[in-house]
Amino acid sequence: AQTVTQSQPEMSVQEAETVTLSCTYDTSESDYYLFWYKQPPSRQMILVIRQEAYKQQNATENRFSVNFQKAAKSFSLKISDSQLGDAAMYFCAYSLGYGGSQGNLIFGKGTKLSVKP
Amino acid sequence: NAGVMQNPRHLVRRRGQEARLRCSPMKGHSHVYWYRQLPEEGLKFMVYLQKENIIDESGMPKERFSAEFPKEGPSILRIQQVVRGDSAAYFCASSPSPEAYGYTFGSGTRLTVV
Repeated sequence: AQTVTQSQPEMSVQEAETVTLSCTYDTSESDYYLFWYKQPPSRQMILVIRQEAYKQQNATENRFSVNFQKAAKSFSLKISDSQLGDAAMYFCAYSLGYGGSQGNLIFGKGTKLSVKP
Repeated sequence: NAGVMQNPRHLVRRRGQEARLRCSPMKGHSHVYWYRQLPEEGLKFMVYLQKENIIDESGMPKERFSAEFPKEGPSILRIQQVVRGDSAAYFCASSPSPEAYGYTFGSGTRLTVV
């Protein structure tokens, strides 16, 4: 069964600094998607970034980038120039790229990110 | 486009009552997913529906829980005879295709059982 592990329950970063959140996953599939979601206190689940496993190039969205290591089954999120609004829970998630349950997301337990002014 | 609409935002039920959670997908989205988030946990998949069909309910508890997505109207997650352990945030997501790449989540319904 596929699993997603986030080993850092809490992280803290100074405003304007860079922070990296870790995520590892376990799967025997070769084609899948990986995601990072942000959940602020409002509870809304906001997609931060996503990566297709077949793409070797790491995804980037403005200040957010990932380090995708397929062989190591690692998918870390780097936040550059951290802002106070980045404070939230961050969830790593996995989904199959095809098949009957391809839309089902498997989430890690999350990392709570605090940003210090 | 109003996004995925869930209501109510908060719902309080006494033990033994029924809870009905509603989800209106984004316009053009015919695939609906329900997730449950227990306190201090990530979201866990419950059920995947298309219009008038349950495609995958492997994450649904066997008893008291049911879901539907009728031809007209919102998707409904129904919990009968609620217990304290049902207290959680319930999220709905919709997608234009049967994959997570195009997901949009609603803001969730927080169910509190007293």
